[in-house]
Amino acid sequence: AQTVTQSQPEMSVQEAETVTLSCTYDTSESDYYLFWYKQPPSRQMILVIRQEAYKQQNATENRFSVNFQKAAKSFSLKISDSQLGDAAMYFCAYPGSANFGNEKLTFGTGTRLTIIP
Amino acid sequence: NAGVMQNPRHLVRRRGQEARLRCSPMKGHSHVYWYRQLPEEGLKFMVYLQKENIIDESGMPKERFSAEFPKEGPSILRIQQVVRGDSAAYFCASTGTAQETQYFGPGTRLLVL
Repeated sequence: AQTVTQSQPEMSVQEAETVTLSCTYDTSESDYYLFWYKQPPSRQMILVIRQEAYKQQNATENRFSVNFQKAAKSFSLKISDSQLGDAAMYFCAYPGSANFGNEKLTFGTGTRLTIIP
Repeated sequence: NAGVMQNPRHLVRRRGQEARLRCSPMKGHSHVYWYRQLPEEGLKFMVYLQKENIIDESGMPKERFSAEFPKEGPSILRIQQVVRGDSAAYFCASTGTAQETQYFGPGTRLLVL
């Protein structure tokens, strides 16, 4: 069974500073992809970023970037220039093999990020 | 472009009643996933459907829960004889093909009294 582990239940960061949220996963697949989703107080699930395992380059979306270490099965999210609107629960998610045809997501337990003004 | 729609957004039921949750995928999407989020927990997979087919229901409780995705209309998650432990947020997500990113609806918050 695939597992996704987020070892930081809570994190806080000063506004405008940088914070890194960690995620590790377990898989025997070689071709797959990974996601970070955020869930603000509205509880809407919002896609933050996606990383394909075959890509050497780490994915980047504006202030959000990942540090993907395939051998270590690590997929951390870095948020630069933190803003008040970044306050949310962040979930790492793994959908299994990219070729399997059934990408049900396995989520980590989440990290609650607080932004300090 | 309308995103994934879910209704109702909030649903209150008494123990023993039925709950029907609806999910309309994004335009052009034919794959729907349902997830459940218990209070203070992450999302857990329940069922994966394509039009008129249940592909994977391994995460769905064997009793009282059923799901469908008809040729026309929204996907329906049905919970019969609800109990207090069914109180949760239920999210659906849709994709156009199996390998695309899943986009989530706003969720339905079910409260069982």
